[in-house]
Amino acid sequence: AQSVTQPDIHITVSEGASLELRCNYSYGATPYLFWYVQSPGQGLQLLLKYFSGDTLVQGIKGFEAEFKRSQSSFNLRKPSVHWSDAAEYFCAVGTASFGNEKLTFGTGTRLTIIP
Amino acid sequence: DADVTQTPRNRITKTGKRIMLECSQTKGHDRMYWYRQDPGLGLRLIYYSFDVKDINKGEISDGYSVSRQAQAKFSLSLESAIPNQTALYFCATSDPSSGSTDTQYFGPGTRLTVL
Repeated sequence: AQSVTQPDIHITVSEGASLELRCNYSYGATPYLFWYVQSPGQGLQLLLKYFSGDTLVQGIKGFEAEFKRSQSSFNLRKPSVHWSDAAEYFCAVGTASFGNEKLTFGTGTRLTIIP
Repeated sequence: DADVTQTPRNRITKTGKRIMLECSQTKGHDRMYWYRQDPGLGLRLIYYSFDVKDINKGEISDGYSVSRQAQAKFSLSLESAIPNQTALYFCATSDPSSGSTDTQYFGPGTRLTVL
């Protein structure tokens, strides 16, 4: 069975600083990987996804993530954060054989932005 | 208008009561899902449905039941609510046949409190 680990429960970053959120997955085959963001009081919004091809994927709001098979990682990055990026971020893995009908989510990383 | 709607948005109920959470979507997707979110645990899958005649248990289905009344509607029921079912519940949809977007789209969530 697949699993996802987000080792950082809470990260605080200064506005304008760079950001990297970590995600490690466990899955026997080629994974489908996703990053979602949940703003306070909101549902989840897809930031980006990786299915195949280029291992560096670009998403919305200036985010990118890099798939590293050798490290079983799919870390999310942003070169310069904005106060509006404060939210909770979830990494998820889906089974590749049937699409993402059984997404497994990590426990999330809460991002705080300080002025 | 939102593509995935959930009603109610907030609900407080008492132990032992039956409660139904409803999800409607206008995306025309065949697949629908129910998750619960608990602090520190991320999202966990309760039930999912690939079409009107197909319903499957997720990882935490005990104490819950679902009904897929139509392609656009998927309801979650708690037959006899208990306090540890207090959580944020999300409905999601997906349409892998679309090819380019094998992605789940989430509703805004229902916050349920069981006293």
